[in-house]
Amino acid sequence: AQSVAQPEDQVNVAEGNPLTVKCTYSVSGNPYLFWYVQYPNRGLQFLLKYITGDNLVKGSYGFEAEFNKSQTSFHLKKPSALVSDSALYFCAVRDPNSGTYKYIFGTGTRLKVLA
Amino acid sequence: GAVVSQHPSWVICKSGTSVKIECRSLDFQATTMFWYRQFPKQSLMLMATSNEGSKATYEQGVEKDKFLINHASLTLSTLTVTSAHPEDSSFYICSFRDRQNNEQFFGPGTRLTVL
Repeated sequence: AQSVAQPEDQVNVAEGNPLTVKCTYSVSGNPYLFWYVQYPNRGLQFLLKYITGDNLVKGSYGFEAEFNKSQTSFHLKKPSALVSDSALYFCAVRDPNSGTYKYIFGTGTRLKVLA
Repeated sequence: GAVVSQHPSWVICKSGTSVKIECRSLDFQATTMFWYRQFPKQSLMLMATSNEGSKATYEQGVEKDKFLINHASLTLSTLTVTSAHPEDSSFYICSFRDRQNNEQFFGPGTRLTVL
C-alpha cells in the first residue's frame, strides 16, 4: 500500500541553525513528491516538489529538499531557520501511474523555531 | 501562483442544520477537485474527488448522503454538510487540480463548529 511517513511529530531548532524535517515514502515506481506548509487555521501552501531531474529541489522561502530514491526519502531542509518558519509541515506523494491525481499526505511535523 | 478561495472561512451552526461551503479557483480552470477534512493536530483526510460535470467519488467511510459535493463548473465546487452534528466539526479544505500542469492548489480552509 502507498504511504508517507513523517517520523517526527515535532522538531525544535534554534533560530539561525539548519533544520531538517524528515519524510519517507512507500510508492512503487517513480512518485511525485511535495512539501506543503500550514499556518494555524490556514490552508496548505506549496513549498516545493520533485517530479524528475535533479535530486535537490529548491523551493519557496529558502527551503530545499533532496530526493533519495535508494532510501525512499524526501527530507525538507533549510540552512538557517527563522522564527517565522514555525508551522506545520506536510509531505505528500502522488503516484503518477495510479490513474488518479490523489495525494497521500504524511501526518505532519510541527516545526518550532526558537529565538 | 494559482489562487483558491473558500467561503465561509468559519461557520458555527446548530446541530441538525445544513452548511454549504464554497470553493472557487480564481485564476485557473480545474477539471478535478478534492475535498479534505482535517481534525486537530492530524493530517488531511481525503473525503472525495470530483470531476466537473460528473458525480463525486467518495473515499471509503465517507457518507455521500451526508457530504454532498457539487462540482458545478471548472471554477466552482461546493460541499454541503447535511444535518450536521458535533462530530462533523472539523477543518474542511478544498483543492483544485490545474488542468494545465496537474498541480493541486489548496483553499485556505473552512472551520466548521457544530453546537
